[in-house]
Amino acid sequence: QQPVQSPQAVILREGEDAVINCSSSKALYSVHWYRQKHGEAPVFLMILLKGGEQKGHEKISASFNEKKQQSSLYLTASQLSYSGTYFCGSTFRGSTLGRLYFGRGTQLTVWP
Amino acid sequence: DAGVTQSPTHLIKTRGQQVTLRCSPKSGHDTVSWYQQALGQGPQFIFQYYEEEERQRGNFPDRFSGHQFPNYSSELNVNALLLGDSALYLCASTNVGAFYTDTQYFGPGTRLTVL
Repeated sequence: QQPVQSPQAVILREGEDAVINCSSSKALYSVHWYRQKHGEAPVFLMILLKGGEQKGHEKISASFNEKKQQSSLYLTASQLSYSGTYFCGSTFRGSTLGRLYFGRGTQLTVWP
Repeated sequence: DAGVTQSPTHLIKTRGQQVTLRCSPKSGHDTVSWYQQALGQGPQFIFQYYEEEERQRGNFPDRFSGHQFPNYSSELNVNALLLGDSALYLCASTNVGAFYTDTQYFGPGTRLTVL
């Protein structure tokens, strides 16, 4: 039930864009995106609850394609502060409440 | 507004020992979940506590147990430690009202090293 994230790693220059994908073989109910910097706790970015929903947070936004059972995180005009590991956490239809299944993460490095 | 707090920050134990980790949820939250994060992996769900009871449990052996107190704080206990238990242990809190819409907030974690 663990969602699959791609790519595993991304290296960017400041100002460049990136897309991180999170897909599942099981019907997704919600997708939660987090960013974790080395040695720190995962920090909540946003949650998507229904198919087609898009949410934004500064220059970071996300979409949820229920038919494709996939969510994508978009980082535009990346900043140095965006560096870290991005995780998607998913809940599934029919699963018990409140339990997040996390992907293995995508490591994003932004260089000046 | 205090966020999720965890103690201790770091812990070193030897195989066979027992350990207790502590978590205080974010103000206003009543549900605590524990996750284990091995190096280079995403967090794995251990169990969740609400109203001082274990509501659900992930695929972890009985060596992993927990407790929730009336003030909603929680403890994670691990007995008979194995080398493979070395990991970052994260506590996350939320409100029980609507799990599918509510956000889980993570604490800074406890780094456990088993020698």
